[in-house]
Amino acid sequence: GAVVSQHPSRVICKSGTSVKIECRSLDFQATTMFWYRQFPKQSLMLMATSNEGSKATYEQGVEKDKFLINHASLTLSTLTVTSAHPEDSSFYICSARKPGTGGVTEAFFGQGTRLTVV
Amino acid sequence: DAKTTQPNSMESNEEEPVHLPCNHSTISGTDYIHWYRQLPSQGPEYVIHGLTSNVNNRMASLAIAEDRKSSTLILHRATLRDAAVYYCILRDVTGGGADGLTFGKGTHLIIQP
Repeated sequence: GAVVSQHPSRVICKSGTSVKIECRSLDFQATTMFWYRQFPKQSLMLMATSNEGSKATYEQGVEKDKFLINHASLTLSTLTVTSAHPEDSSFYICSARKPGTGGVTEAFFGQGTRLTVV
Repeated sequence: DAKTTQPNSMESNEEEPVHLPCNHSTISGTDYIHWYRQLPSQGPEYVIHGLTSNVNNRMASLAIAEDRKSSTLILHRATLRDAAVYYCILRDVTGGGADGLTFGKGTHLIIQP
C-alpha cells in the first residue's frame, strides 16, 4: 500500500529555536497533505491543509506565522515550528491522499513526530 | 462532518471477537463510514470503510445498520497487536478529499492475554 514517511520520529529542542518536520509520500504524488497535532491523552486535531504550489490553509486558532508549511513538490511537505516553546511539545502527524480518489478512499498517515521543547 | 459517538473504552480477551460500536444518527446520504486505528505512539492507519452494505477485508468487518445511524467494527479474532484507539469517522464523498479528517475521542480497545 501507499506509504507516507515522516522525519524525524522524535526531536528535542531548546525553547526559542525552530524545528522542521518533513513529510514525504513515497509512492504517489500528493497535491494535498494535512498536518495534525495530538496532545497526550487527546485526539488528533487538524492544524492545516498543505497545498502543493500554493499557501497552506490553517484551521481556526492555529498561528500561521508560528507553524510554517511548505509544499514545494508533489511528494514533500514540511512543517516548521518557529520559536518553539514548551507548550508546543506534542505529537505531530502528517497525512496524504492519493490525488483523484475523492473522499471515499483511505488517508495515509506518517508515523508521527514527537516534539519535546525544553 | 457529522458527529459520531463511541464508547471511551472496551476490553476483550485475546483470540475472541470484538465488536466496536459507533453511533452516527445525523449521518447524511453522502457520508461514508470510515474506521481508523492508532497504535501507541504511531500515526493512525486505515481499517475499513463502507456506505450501506456490510464490508469485509483482511483486517476487519464493518456491519452497517439498515438506517445507517449506527455501525459496528468487528475484529474476528483479536490479538494483542490490535490494542489501539479505534476511530469511527464520517466522510462526505462530495468533499472530494480536499479536507482533513475530524477525529473524535475514539474507543480505547484493551486486549487481555
